[in-house]
Amino acid sequence: SQTIHQWPATLVQPVGSPLSLECTVEGTSNPNLYWYRQAAGRGLQLLFYSVGIGQISSEVPQNLSASRPQDRQFILSSKKLLLSDSGFYLCAWSVDVGGITDTQYFGPGTRLTVL
Amino acid sequence: AQKITQTQPGMFVQEKEAVTLDCTYDTSDPSYGLFWYKQPSSGEMIFLIYQGSYDQQNATEGRYSLNFQKARKSANLVISASQLGDSAMYFCAMREGNPGAGGFKTIFGAGTRLFVKA
Repeated sequence: SQTIHQWPATLVQPVGSPLSLECTVEGTSNPNLYWYRQAAGRGLQLLFYSVGIGQISSEVPQNLSASRPQDRQFILSSKKLLLSDSGFYLCAWSVDVGGITDTQYFGPGTRLTVL
Repeated sequence: AQKITQTQPGMFVQEKEAVTLDCTYDTSDPSYGLFWYKQPSSGEMIFLIYQGSYDQQNATEGRYSLNFQKARKSANLVISASQLGDSAMYFCAMREGNPGAGGFKTIFGAGTRLFVKA
């Protein structure tokens, strides 16, 4: 069965510090991978998605970046965190079986607090 | 205009009763998918149910059913026999797009917080 891991689970970082959040998927090949951010009490905002190694699409221009160095690894980074980067970061995967029908499955999330 | 609208920020339901969570969507694509996710206080997003735009029958998964009214562009989630463990945020989502024009994208609503009372 497929599983998705995210770490760390929680993170407190000072403003201006770098960030690296990691997401890995097990039990599937060539998944679509996604990074979402959820502000407190809000819905999900898609940040990045990737359909393959090295292929990253950005949805929202900001100081975050994403990379996919391996098929089942997705990394969210920042060189300098802002206060507004605080939130709950969720990684998700899906397998394209016709596009519209593929369901996204989410990891446990990383709660980031920028002070 | 919002693509996914969930008009109920919060709802209460008595344990063992049924509850309907509203969701309306806006798209001009003929082919799209509708999803419901549950987010308990732990934060994880749990997939509940899926409805395709061409599906003739309403989707059902255990105690969850999706009341799909295509002409009204609504995809309400019905939870039967509510349990205390159903207390959570519930998100409606829509997947639309064209693989030749940048791929498919899933858009989430703002969510409805459900409180189940004992």
